[in-house]
Amino acid sequence: DTGVSQNPRHKITKRGQNVTFRCDPISEHNRLYWYRQTLGQGPEFLTYFQNEAQLEKSRLLSDRFSAERPKGSFSTLEIQRTEQGDSAMYLCASSLEYYGYTFGSGTRLTVV
Amino acid sequence: GENVEQHPSTLSVQEGDSAVIKCTYSDSASNYFPWYKQELGKGPQLIIDIRSNVGEKKDQRIAVTLNKTAKHFSLHITETQPEDSAVYFCAVNFGNEKLTFGTGTRLTIIP
Repeated sequence: DTGVSQNPRHKITKRGQNVTFRCDPISEHNRLYWYRQTLGQGPEFLTYFQNEAQLEKSRLLSDRFSAERPKGSFSTLEIQRTEQGDSAMYLCASSLEYYGYTFGSGTRLTVV
Repeated sequence: GENVEQHPSTLSVQEGDSAVIKCTYSDSASNYFPWYKQELGKGPQLIIDIRSNVGEKKDQRIAVTLNKTAKHFSLHITETQPEDSAVYFCAVNFGNEKLTFGTGTRLTIIP
C-alpha cells in the first residue's frame, strides 16, 4: 500500500461547472476525512466518514458540496456550480483511530 | 471556540542551529496534539504527535513539549538541516474526530 491516493492532482474548471474528486485511503483505514486548504492557511475540516457512514459535516460544506464513501472504501467529493471561492487544495486523509492521520497529496482546484 | 494560534509565521535558522515553533489552543478538553510538515506541492506529513497524558516526546532530532495548564505545545528541531525547510503546522483534536490546524510556520534553513 503506497498511502492515500488522490485524483486528479490538478483540476481547472470554469465557474458554474461541476467537479468530482476521488480519494483512495489506506486499505485497512476505516476513517476518511476531507479537508480544504487555501494559500497560506492550514487545512480546514470539511467532512468525515467512518466506514460508509458520513458522521460529521462542517458548516463550510455548503449544499453545493457532497461527499460519498460507498462500501466504505474510496470516497468522492463533488462540487456543483463551482465558484471562484472554491479554488483551493482539497486534501483527503485516512486513519484507523482519531489520531495518526495520513494525508494524500491533494487535488488543487482552480476555478476560472 | 476551537482556536489554535501558531507562532512565528516565518522562521529562518542557520543550519545546525535549533528551531522552535509554538502553538496555543483554547479548550482544555483537547487530548491530541500532532505536528505536520508540508513541502511544496505535497500533503501534510505527520512528523510527531503527543497525547494529553504526556509532557514531552522525542524522536531523533524532533521533540514536542506539552503544557496543558498553560494550553500550549511546542515543536523543537535540533541540528537543523536544509531538508528541514518546509511549512510546519500544529493541530489540535478538541475531543472530537477532526483536527483544527494552526496557520503554519514557514521554516527556512540557511546553509
